[in-house]
Amino acid sequence: GQQVMQIPQYQHVQEGEDFTTYCNSSTTLSNIQWYKQRPGGHPVFLIQLVKSGEVKKQKRLTFQFGEAKKNSSLHITATQTTDVGTYFCADLFGNEKLTFGTGTRLTIIP
Amino acid sequence: DGGITQSPKYLFRKEGQNVTLSCEQNLNHDAMYWYRQDPGQGLRLIYYSQIVNDFQKGDIAEGYSVSREKKESFPLTVTSAQKNPTAFYLCASSTGQGEGYTFGSGTRLTVV
Repeated sequence: GQQVMQIPQYQHVQEGEDFTTYCNSSTTLSNIQWYKQRPGGHPVFLIQLVKSGEVKKQKRLTFQFGEAKKNSSLHITATQTTDVGTYFCADLFGNEKLTFGTGTRLTIIP
Repeated sequence: DGGITQSPKYLFRKEGQNVTLSCEQNLNHDAMYWYRQDPGQGLRLIYYSQIVNDFQKGDIAEGYSVSREKKESFPLTVTSAQKNPTAFYLCASSTGQGEGYTFGSGTRLTVV
């Protein structure tokens, strides 16, 4: 089946530093969605990218979809303690079901 | 407020017993999904349903069963055939029109 890989698996940053997680697939991605899961919580939808090369911003978060639609990234500028959690990308194939990436766990050092 | 309710939050089961996890939504969403999450892992799809009285197997359906008799409800039964049932189970719903999923708060199942 389809596999969506994310790197890094873990990231520890000092508060105020930037953070980036990358999502990669060997096959063409359909629609990429990004989710955040706080420790002990459930995934919360952040955004969806549909078009090749698309860039979207939400305050300190910047999301990109690769030109070839085989990768995507999430960049957080000047991290805050509220950014702690695991970030997942997910491919929405055929508008039917989401295949989740392996996730990147972000911890913040105050 | 609209949302998804999963119950119970914590569930303990003896080996060899079947157990049913509840998932109810009042978002008027057509599609519903069950995912399994193991510690430090991503989410894996168990079953999904895009319309009442119809459902499809996901990537790890063995040892699980579902029903979709009402639009609002999508219960998951973890059977004794599931070899490693201890996990965090998440239910989700969507419009089915290519939008983001709304997740419930999950059920943590432990087999003792």
